[in-house]
Amino acid sequence: EIVLTQSPGTLSLSPGERATLSCRASQSISSSYLAWYQQKPGQAPRLLIYGASSRATGIPDRFSGSGSGTDFTLTISRLEPEDFAVYYCQQYGRSPPFMYTFGQGTKLEI
Amino acid sequence: EVQLVESGGGLVKPGGSLRLSCAASGFTFSLYSMNWVRQAPGKGLEWVSSISSSSTYIYYADSVKGRFTISRDNAKNSLYLQMNSLRAEDTAVYYCARSWEVVDYFDSWGQGTLVTVSS
Repeated sequence: EIVLTQSPGTLSLSPGERATLSCRASQSISSSYLAWYQQKPGQAPRLLIYGASSRATGIPDRFSGSGSGTDFTLTISRLEPEDFAVYYCQQYGRSPPFMYTFGQGTKLEI
Repeated sequence: EVQLVESGGGLVKPGGSLRLSCAASGFTFSLYSMNWVRQAPGKGLEWVSSISSSSTYIYYADSVKGRFTISRDNAKNSLYLQMNSLRAEDTAVYYCARSWEVVDYFDSWGQGTLVTVSS
């Protein structure tokens, strides 16, 4: 089973600043099958990034994803007030065992 | 607009059963794979189960294998999760989510339904 470890657990920043969130996999993720989600309190998660670096429909370009192999990063270039939330990375393995794993989340707080 | 609406959650005793439903609209349901993801109170996301568009491929997390059964009815645009032998650790908000492939990212999510397992 692939384990995803996100860091930091909590990130305290101010609007206008740059946020860098990390997701490290216990083994290489083939073909960058890595996604990022945003979740606000009381809401369902929302897809931000798939394939490690492709933005989902309607996601502002201040969100960007990068990385390959075992190390992946979500960057928010200039934080807006609505960006303060919990962020999860997810891997979707297309070889057996067919399963998904999520990181434990990074809370981005003001 | 894609809509996924879960229902069927509630309070159930340990060892009991519950059936969750997810009603889909706004897209061609029969073309997409569907998934269940849960979130225990104050915790992170945990994948539960996935089913391909024609139900050919079905996968479960080890934590629910043998107790939960995923199914779908493409004629009714509905996804289901039959949960048996429920345990306290199954307490969570259960989300249904859409994906193009049976193992793929989740591009749309429902708002979730709360399942509480307690005596």
